[in-house]
Amino acid sequence: DVQLVESGGGLVQPGGSLRLSCAASGFTFSKFWMTWVRQAPGKGLEWVANIKQDGSEKHYVDSVKGRFTIFRDNAKNSLFLQMNSLRAEDTAVYYCARAILGWYFDSWGQGTLVTVSS
Amino acid sequence: DIQMTQSPSTLSASVGDRVTITCRASQSITSSLAWYQQKPGKAPKLLIHRASSLERGVPSRFSGSGSGTEFTLTISNLQPDDFATYYCQQYNNYWTFGHGTKVEIK
Repeated sequence: DVQLVESGGGLVQPGGSLRLSCAASGFTFSKFWMTWVRQAPGKGLEWVANIKQDGSEKHYVDSVKGRFTIFRDNAKNSLFLQMNSLRAEDTAVYYCARAILGWYFDSWGQGTLVTVSS
Repeated sequence: DIQMTQSPSTLSASVGDRVTITCRASQSITSSLAWYQQKPGKAPKLLIHRASSLERGVPSRFSGSGSGTEFTLTISNLQPDDFATYYCQQYNNYWTFGHGTKVEIK
């Protein structure tokens, strides 16, 4: 079975940094696009970033460009999101998900909560 | 940017009802649309992709239709397990979710 397990969330002050991780198992990680999607408390889903199988192509939502970096380690079946210059509006549950052909998201982790507050 | 507008935002229904949720795109997205179900405290679950292709394991009471800018998700014979929030998502030009439709018990 496909399994995605996020970690690395927590409380961070505005302007701080955090790195999220997603450990993948149950499928050939290196053959799939991967994505991060977030959900602010009580709000809807927001796509954050995508990365191609070999890391050669990355896309970001405008609100995180220049602050967040998505990357992956195929040897370790892991996806990451480096988040810098965090703002209160980045507070959300962050999900990693497998992207079919980079299009839609067929498997999701349980999410990790990031809270940006002083 | 492509905007996705879902309606209604909340829908009250009873077990056995047929319910329809609409999703409109701000420009044509051909058939590049997916539907997800999310229950409180849980990750979203993919129901439908390519506007009308049912994901494996999803009950056949769920169906999707549409192309271009207007899409619908229909749940026939609503079951207790179907009370949840539903999101559409376009993947024609980057990736955008609708704001969600909460299906609640009448």
